[in-house]
Amino acid sequence: RKEVEQDPGPFNVPEGATVAFNCTYSNSASQSFFWYRQDCRKEPKLLMSVYSSGNEDGRFTAQLNRASQYISLLIRDSKLSDSATYLCVVKWYSSASKIIFGSGTRLSIRP
Amino acid sequence: NAGVTQTPKFRVLKTGQSMTLLCAQDMNHEYMYWYRQDPGMGLRLIHYSVGEGTTAKGEVPDGYNVSRLKKQNFLLGLESAAPSQTSVYFCASSIPPTSGGYTGELFFGEGSRLTVL
Repeated sequence: RKEVEQDPGPFNVPEGATVAFNCTYSNSASQSFFWYRQDCRKEPKLLMSVYSSGNEDGRFTAQLNRASQYISLLIRDSKLSDSATYLCVVKWYSSASKIIFGSGTRLSIRP
Repeated sequence: NAGVTQTPKFRVLKTGQSMTLLCAQDMNHEYMYWYRQDPGMGLRLIHYSVGEGTTAKGEVPDGYNVSRLKKQNFLLGLESAAPSQTSVYFCASSIPPTSGGYTGELFFGEGSRLTVL
């Protein structure tokens, strides 16, 4: 089983829709969680960190469920510019190298 | 604002040739990483460095070597390229975790696309 798993998609939704996807992780000792965004043939960029209490940044909401070992990303009022691949990242505080990337969920927003 | 710069951005090699990828960062970051990204897979860590003069193996180190002679530069070498090393290579840098628990955002270069024939 992969340490970090994501639904690869693609999710194809109309502009203005709300879309959500999850990421599961297998190691309960995982410390920090992030969502990165990667546009086609570009480098990943940090979208948002995921805090235990859940956090929101404009149209984006991230949540963490440690009991069930998953994190989620919700995008409201989706825009064409939201089309990208979203990478779930799990990081261990005590280790410089223990950073696991999910394989990504592809999102396509149609007009 | 340069951030993390990778050179070259594209390269085609023949099997058995050698080459070096250069990563340079101007943010004074301690940590630097080399990843490879293949279709359908997440980024996989090749080697990393937690400071000048130190390097360590990641998840997929075989066939690669690295050096960090200067804090701002992290070099990735392929001594004898193989078709299995065809991939997109990303360099990243970050600050170390802080005592307050901040674990450090990874800043990536634009990637280097390598094809081995």
